Amino acid sequence: KAGVTQTPRYLIKTRGQQVTLSCSPISGHRSVSWYQQTPGQGLQFLFEYFSETQRNKGNFPGRFSGRQFSNSRSEMNVSTLELGDSALYLCASMVGTGGKNEQFFGPGTRLTVL
Amino acid sequence: GENVEQHPSTLSVQEGDSAVIKCTYSDSASNYFPWYKQELGKRPQLIIDIRSNVGEKKDQRIAVTLNKTAKHFSLHITETQPEDSAVYFCAASKGSASKIIFGSGTRLSIRP
Repeated sequence: KAGVTQTPRYLIKTRGQQVTLSCSPISGHRSVSWYQQTPGQGLQFLFEYFSETQRNKGNFPGRFSGRQFSNSRSEMNVSTLELGDSALYLCASMVGTGGKNEQFFGPGTRLTVL
Repeated sequence: GENVEQHPSTLSVQEGDSAVIKCTYSDSASNYFPWYKQELGKRPQLIIDIRSNVGEKKDQRIAVTLNKTAKHFSLHITETQPEDSAVYFCAASKGSASKIIFGSGTRLSIRP
């Protein structure tokens, strides 16, 4: 079974721009969660999508948004980029029902904001 | 809100010795506690998990213990080896429909 994939792997943007990141979950997984990882802040939860609906949300500003498609692929968008948005963005997929909550992470997208 | 605290933030042990990482959680409804290992430049990978209906689980050199009363769980690595060097994250969740909250991570270094 193929693992979780993320595209692109690296991105360089400038302040004020917007960016869209993509995550393809493991086949059969309906839940996709997004995390921001920075050296000083660990893994910060952004949001989770399940069956095309946002099911859980973290404490990030509205500039961070996401969506999920019918094939469970998910995208995350960050608008009006700030220098502090530079981070590794990880997505993780899981079955999401029936007590099956083991998460599997993708390789991440490293975003640099200049 | 939900919170997971993890200690220590850094840990250095001699090869062959044991390492222990401790976490506490705030939400008593939490019932799933995974541990992830993240090697440098790689994605976090699940190494062991425990559910609230058991107190201890072992898998070769690693074990996790859970104290529901104290809302505390720990990762134990015995006979440490150089390849155990990594950042370890604990986490807690209330179920498959709930978000997983991560601790801040422990950077484990194994001294030769």
